[in-house]
Amino acid sequence: DIVMTQSPDSLAVSLGERATINCKSSQSVLYSSNNKNYLAWYQQKPGQPPKLLIYWASTRESGVPDRFSGSGSGTDFTLTISSLQAEDVAVYYCQQYYIGATFGQGTKLEIK
Amino acid sequence: QVQLVESGGGLVKPGGSLRLSCAASGFTFSDYYMSWIRQAPGKGLEWVSYISSSGSTIYYADSVKGRFTISRDNAKNSLYLQMNSLRAEDTAVYYCARDHDYSNYFDYWGQGTLVTVSS
Repeated sequence: DIVMTQSPDSLAVSLGERATINCKSSQSVLYSSNNKNYLAWYQQKPGQPPKLLIYWASTRESGVPDRFSGSGSGTDFTLTISSLQAEDVAVYYCQQYYIGATFGQGTKLEIK
Repeated sequence: QVQLVESGGGLVKPGGSLRLSCAASGFTFSDYYMSWIRQAPGKGLEWVSYISSSGSTIYYADSVKGRFTISRDNAKNSLYLQMNSLRAEDTAVYYCARDHDYSNYFDYWGQGTLVTVSS
């Protein structure tokens, strides 16, 4: 199985500041034949199901604010929120879909 | 709009069985792969099972293989999860989720149904 490890486990950022969450896979999730990274990011607020933010490592889902961006390739990925808003408080998960589907342990994002 | 509504959760004793359902609407259900994903209380997400649009291809997580059975009825726009030999560690909110673009990431999720396995 591909193991996904996120860092940090929790993060406190001031409103308007940048938040960065990292995700590392135990093996590459880059498929060489199409040059796509099989990596998605989700946001989960309390009492709600996860919401898809980013897929193919950097493609923003329709309706997701452009302050959310994804980057990285191979085994190392980053979710960046460029200017934190109060409504961004949530737990964020990365997920690989290169082989099956496995999720990171989650990163809890709070306001400082 | 796309809607996924799970039902069938509840309290069951260890070794017991439960059948979850997911009613889909707002999209052509028969065109999409579907998955069940669970989340233990206060924990992260765990993919459980996947079924192709026709039902011909099915995968399970090792943790549920041999105990859980996924199925679908495209005429009824419904997804199912039959859970047998339940264990305390199966306690979780179970979500059904739509697979986007046959790629095994998930663009729509239901609100979930809670399964509690306890004596």
